[in-house]
Amino acid sequence: GAVVSQHPSWVICKSGTSVKIECRSLDFQATTMFWYRQFPKQSLMLMATSNEGSKATYEQGVEKDKFLINHASLTLSTLTVTSAHPEDSSFYICSARIPGLAGAGELFFGEGSRLTVL
Amino acid sequence: AQSVTQLGSHVSVSEGALVLLRCNYSSSVPPYLFWYVQYPNQGLQLLLKYTTGATLVKGINGFEAEFKKSETSFHLTKPSAHMSDAAEYFCAVIPGYSSASKIIFGSGTRLSIRP
Repeated sequence: GAVVSQHPSWVICKSGTSVKIECRSLDFQATTMFWYRQFPKQSLMLMATSNEGSKATYEQGVEKDKFLINHASLTLSTLTVTSAHPEDSSFYICSARIPGLAGAGELFFGEGSRLTVL
Repeated sequence: AQSVTQLGSHVSVSEGALVLLRCNYSSSVPPYLFWYVQYPNQGLQLLLKYTTGATLVKGINGFEAEFKKSETSFHLTKPSAHMSDAAEYFCAVIPGYSSASKIIFGSGTRLSIRP
C-alpha cells in the first residue's frame, strides 16, 4: 500500500521554541493531507486540512498562528508548532488521501510525531 | 450529525479466544465505515473498510466486520486472538459521498490479550 512518512518521530524542545514536523507521501502524490492531534488514550482530532498550493483549512478552535501548515509540493506537508508551550505536547499524526478517490478513498497515515515541550 | 460510538474502552480476551469490538454509527446518509489499528507510538493502519456491496468485509490479520444497516453497527471480529493483536482499535465513518476530511473517529478500544 501507499506509504506516508513523518519526521521526526520524537522531538523534545524548550518552551518558546518552534518545531517543524514533516509529512511526506513516498510513492504517490497527495494534493490533500490532513493533520491530527491525539491526546493520551484519546481519539484523533482533526486539526487542519492541508491543500497543495493553497492555504490550509483549519478546524474550529485550532489556532492558525500557532500551528502553521505549508503544503509546498505534492509530496510534502509541514506542520510548524510556533512558540511551543507544554500544553502543546501531544502526538501529531498526518494522513494523505489517494487523489481521485473521494470519500471512500483510503487514508494513509504517517507514523506519528511525539512532541514534548519542556 | 454523524457520530461513532465504540462500546468498551478496554477489552481483554485470552489468546485463542474470539475478539469482538463493537462499533455503532450515526449517519444521515449511507456511510463508509473503517476500522483502523494503532500500535503504541505509531500511526493508524487500515484493517478493513466498507463502502458498498458485500456487507461482510474481510481485512488483514484475520479480522472481519459486518455492516448491519438495521442495527447501525459495524462490529469487528476475529475468531482467534493472537498476542500480536494487542493494540488500540478505532472505528471511523465518512458520511457517504463526503470528503475524506469529514472522517469521524470513535474514541477507540484498547485490546489486551491474556496468555
